[in-house]
Amino acid sequence: GNSVTQMEGPVTLSEEAFLTINCTYTATGYPSLFWYVQYPGEGLQLLLKATKADDKGSNKGFEATYRKETTSFHLEKGSVQVSDSAVYFCALSDSNYQLIWGAGTKLIIKP
Amino acid sequence: DTGVSQDPRHKITKRGQNVTFRCDPISEHNRLYWYRQTLGQGPEFLTYFQNEAQLEKSRLLSDRFSAERPKGSFSTLEIQRTEQGDSAMYLCASSLWGRESSDYGYTFGSGTRLTVV
Repeated sequence: GNSVTQMEGPVTLSEEAFLTINCTYTATGYPSLFWYVQYPGEGLQLLLKATKADDKGSNKGFEATYRKETTSFHLEKGSVQVSDSAVYFCALSDSNYQLIWGAGTKLIIKP
Repeated sequence: DTGVSQDPRHKITKRGQNVTFRCDPISEHNRLYWYRQTLGQGPEFLTYFQNEAQLEKSRLLSDRFSAERPKGSFSTLEIQRTEQGDSAMYLCASSLWGRESSDYGYTFGSGTRLTVV
């Protein structure tokens, strides 16, 4: 069946460091891939998405590229800020547009 | 459109009481989803509607949980005879689905945090 695996957290970085949060998936067909972010005490927000192989999603300095050959959708940012501290969820959308979620990765950015 | 609205934001209830939550989706969205999230975990699917029809319900969902979307607009989620294990954040999301619609992902509400004491 479909599944999403994310790197375990927490991930702790200093401000302005480079960020990578790994995400790999298992799916039949050609799912869409998403990154959602959840700030403390808030609901989930769509951060970025990619709908087909080699697509790059980007938003707020974050990027992720849909890699079909490695079944990955790693999240990257060149220079993180304290305000990026949150939980990040990788997800895929199956053929019926149901979301399959990773377990989430908590990101802590220290000043 | 102000996005997906959920009410209330917080609810504290005594064990054994019934609670009802409301979700108002984005008006043009035809799909509405309910999820439950506990601390440190990802969202757990509960159920979803397409228009007024409830198309899927999680096998993990107890009979104490029921959801409705009577006119294909807002939805309610009721939990009867609450238990301490029901304490969680209940999230609602909506999306636009159709043969020709693109997969834009879900829009989530801010959630209702339930505490059963």
